[in-house]
Amino acid sequence: EPEVTQTPSHQVTQMGQEVILRCVPISNHLYFYWYRQILGQKVEFLVSFYNNEISEKSEIFDDQFSVERPDGSNFTLKIRSTKLEDSAMYFCASSPVGTGDHGELFFGEGSRLTVL
Amino acid sequence: EDKVVQSPLSLVVHEGDTVTLNCSYEVTNFRSLLWYKQEKKAPTFLFMLTSSGIEKKSGRLSSILDKKELFSILNITATQTGDSAIYLCAVGGGGSNYKLTFGKGTLLTVNP
Repeated sequence: EPEVTQTPSHQVTQMGQEVILRCVPISNHLYFYWYRQILGQKVEFLVSFYNNEISEKSEIFDDQFSVERPDGSNFTLKIRSTKLEDSAMYFCASSPVGTGDHGELFFGEGSRLTVL
Repeated sequence: EDKVVQSPLSLVVHEGDTVTLNCSYEVTNFRSLLWYKQEKKAPTFLFMLTSSGIEKKSGRLSSILDKKELFSILNITATQTGDSAIYLCAVGGGGSNYKLTFGKGTLLTVNP
């Protein structure tokens, strides 16, 4: 069964360092997302990406964050200068249609980011 | 602001029990309500509900939506230890075609 894959599964970094989290969405999906879950808290929307551009972003997704689809398969989340509060599990998701068209999201296993 | 509230936050039952998990929501321009099961890491999709009163069923799990009262329930009958997980409710809408708003989840523990 097709799945969303993410790497790395766990990354430890020092505050102020740049981090890139990678995702390979399901191949025929058109919509891509990043969500995060701080330990013990809700899953929160960060950004959605469609047709090679950001379609929506949350208040969390400030100038320190960026997303890119560098080729036909990868979808990356970059955090330019990490802060302690960026420590969280980051989930990539994809869907064949947007949630507005009743698209369900398929999530990857997550990348746990620990900022020291 | 869109809001999704799940109850209870945690629940401990014995194998064979039936459980009902609740999700209430406040969101403008509601489009869909989704249930996910989160075991160790990735939320895995269970159901998507868009219409009131139509039960969705998969094995021992079932779910129904009430768009008038703005809530959904997830039922699990004859629970097994493998049902132990966090159950997440998420709602699409609020003027967004892309974002899901999640509740805090219900932690279900099924003891043998």
